[in-house]
Amino acid sequence: NAGVTQTPKFQVLKTGQSMTLQCAQDMNHNSMYWYRQDPGMGLRLIYYSASEGTTDKGEVPNGYNVSRLNKREFSLRLESAAPSQTSVYFCASSEANRGRAYGYTFGSGTRLTVV
Amino acid sequence: GENVEQHPSTLSVQEGDSAVIKCTYSDSASNYFPWYKQELGKRPQLIIDIRSNVGEKKDQRIAVTLNKTAKHFSLHITETQPEDSAVYFCAAAEYGNKLVFGAGTILRVKS
Repeated sequence: NAGVTQTPKFQVLKTGQSMTLQCAQDMNHNSMYWYRQDPGMGLRLIYYSASEGTTDKGEVPNGYNVSRLNKREFSLRLESAAPSQTSVYFCASSEANRGRAYGYTFGSGTRLTVV
Repeated sequence: GENVEQHPSTLSVQEGDSAVIKCTYSDSASNYFPWYKQELGKRPQLIIDIRSNVGEKKDQRIAVTLNKTAKHFSLHITETQPEDSAVYFCAAAEYGNKLVFGAGTILRVKS
């Protein structure tokens, strides 16, 4: 049981380049999330998908786009990378349903550096 | 939206002592409060959670308490061990199960 799998684990981009972070879960969870983690700021929500076919903005969506490809996969795209997007990115999934919250299972993270 | 504040930002304790981390939240509608432990270079992992209809929950050396009236909840670790050293995050669930995280507490257990 792999849980939540993220690729790549490390990436260095030049300013203006684009890339897609991949995330897949095998727990049959409905909800998936993308967070970024910066020192001293905890985890901040970028985008989330409450269920297959839906996506919504989180706290810090600017500069990012997402695609919920199917129930298993949720990708995050940086169209034109900026140094401010240097961070560690975590994908997570949850079995949340209407009215009842559940804890997240996180992927191992992607450490992204934009130079 | 929800706002979660976490204190202290760093905490050093002697091995065997207790550690307490406190969080406050702003949205009285939040009803689920998990705690995560993150070791250096690793992913956050759920260690305990509590729902708003419960005041306290224990799991071996770890306990969480919730005061809905005051809108705060706390993590208690007893008989701390060196392997408890990590960053701990509290969170509160907004509508739609979006977790809002505190800024984290670096716990150092000195042996």
